[in-house]
Amino acid sequence: GAVVSQHPSWVICKSGTSVKIECRSLDFQATTMFWYRQFPKQSLMLMATSNEGSKATYEQGVEKDKFLINHASLTLSTLTVTSAHPEDSSFYICSASKGGGAKNIQYFGAGTRLSVL
Amino acid sequence: AQSVTQPDIHITVSEGASLELRCNYSYGATPYLFWYVQSPGQGLQLLLKYFSGDTLVQGIKGFEAEFKRSQSSFNLRKPSVHWSDAAEYFCAVAPSGTYKYIFGTGTRLKVLA
Repeated sequence: GAVVSQHPSWVICKSGTSVKIECRSLDFQATTMFWYRQFPKQSLMLMATSNEGSKATYEQGVEKDKFLINHASLTLSTLTVTSAHPEDSSFYICSASKGGGAKNIQYFGAGTRLSVL
Repeated sequence: AQSVTQPDIHITVSEGASLELRCNYSYGATPYLFWYVQSPGQGLQLLLKYFSGDTLVQGIKGFEAEFKRSQSSFNLRKPSVHWSDAAEYFCAVAPSGTYKYIFGTGTRLKVLA
């Protein structure tokens, strides 16, 4: 168990358009979901933490108006990159936390590669 | 500042050889520790975790890791590497009592036939 699906796996868009990425926990309810950004040959950087039914908590330096996060249900969180620009091109990965408490384990999606032309 | 270090960006081993991937962290208290593996086009898969207790942790796929408090390390080991182990390995740390993971920069493992 603990499967996380992320869609799409790859998206190409024109500069100025918006792109939505979905993250679903397929076989468990995720009270908390996380969004990461990964640059080539670099580590995963946490962008934001989202809890079902509440506003996301963004990390310092992440533009909340640029990266809109919605966590409408216990199995779905979405990341919308608004007015995307080439510098937003990156690999975005989501994860979902199973169970409560501090000893949470994050299960990861396969990631979405965004290319902005 | 809090950080996680994986000193080796690339490691190449022959199939059947032993493997050790290093991970060091800098935190005041013992955090929760994780190793994940990422294959191309796939998500990160949890190999093993350490919360407390026995410092030698067994994981999936024949991997184990040892927590050494005195060295602030959580090194991943496997006695005999298989070609299918070629992937990128990430060490992650969650400061005790928090949900957030801090990731190392990853180690890319290449396995020679």
